[in-house]
Amino acid sequence: NAGVMQNPRHLVRRRGQEARLRCSPMKGHSHVYWYRQLPEEGLKFMVYLQKENIIDESGMPKERFSAEFPKEGPSILRIQQVVRGDSAAYFCASSPPLSGNGYTFGSGTRLTVV
Amino acid sequence: AQRVTQPEKLLSVFKGAPVELKCNYSYSGSPELFWYVQYSRQRLQLLLRHISRESIKGFTADLNKGETSFHLKKPFAQEEDSAMYYCALSISGGYNKLIFGAGTRLAVHP
Repeated sequence: NAGVMQNPRHLVRRRGQEARLRCSPMKGHSHVYWYRQLPEEGLKFMVYLQKENIIDESGMPKERFSAEFPKEGPSILRIQQVVRGDSAAYFCASSPPLSGNGYTFGSGTRLTVV
Repeated sequence: AQRVTQPEKLLSVFKGAPVELKCNYSYSGSPELFWYVQYSRQRLQLLLRHISRESIKGFTADLNKGETSFHLKKPFAQEEDSAMYYCALSISGGYNKLIFGAGTRLAVHP
């Protein structure tokens, strides 16, 4: 089991470009969570998805950010028209349904906006 | 509102000294609490969860509902314990939405 796979590990984008971050959950995990970690801060919940459904997007900025978890393929976090303030580490985690055992995290994608 | 507070950004100790990383939470429901650890250049890993009442790598944590705390303790710190430690609260609602504290960096010196 390869664990939660995120790619790319590092992503550099110029202001105004789009950033696409990918997350493949662990085998057997149908729940995906995205978190953002700004410098010197803890992880902030962004969105929780199940296959083809967004369950909770209460932590997503209202504009420019979107997430999906299609029936086939990885979950995608998309940031349009990136700005310097989007520079952060973005972590994906997955879990089985109704697990009380916590998440399994990916290694994260470090986005740098220049 | 749900909140997790880790009051110390950095905790610096010498090898062999006791360690206590503080975590306080604010939640009106029945909490589930976790400690995650992130070693240098590695992913976050689950260290402890309060429901299992286990000891991992010599660390323990007890949920104190009266003080709304879930402090992480180890009697004798080792250099390999140096890492970022995050306390997290899982709020009820049928899925595992975690609220994280800001983290404490533990530095264990030889």
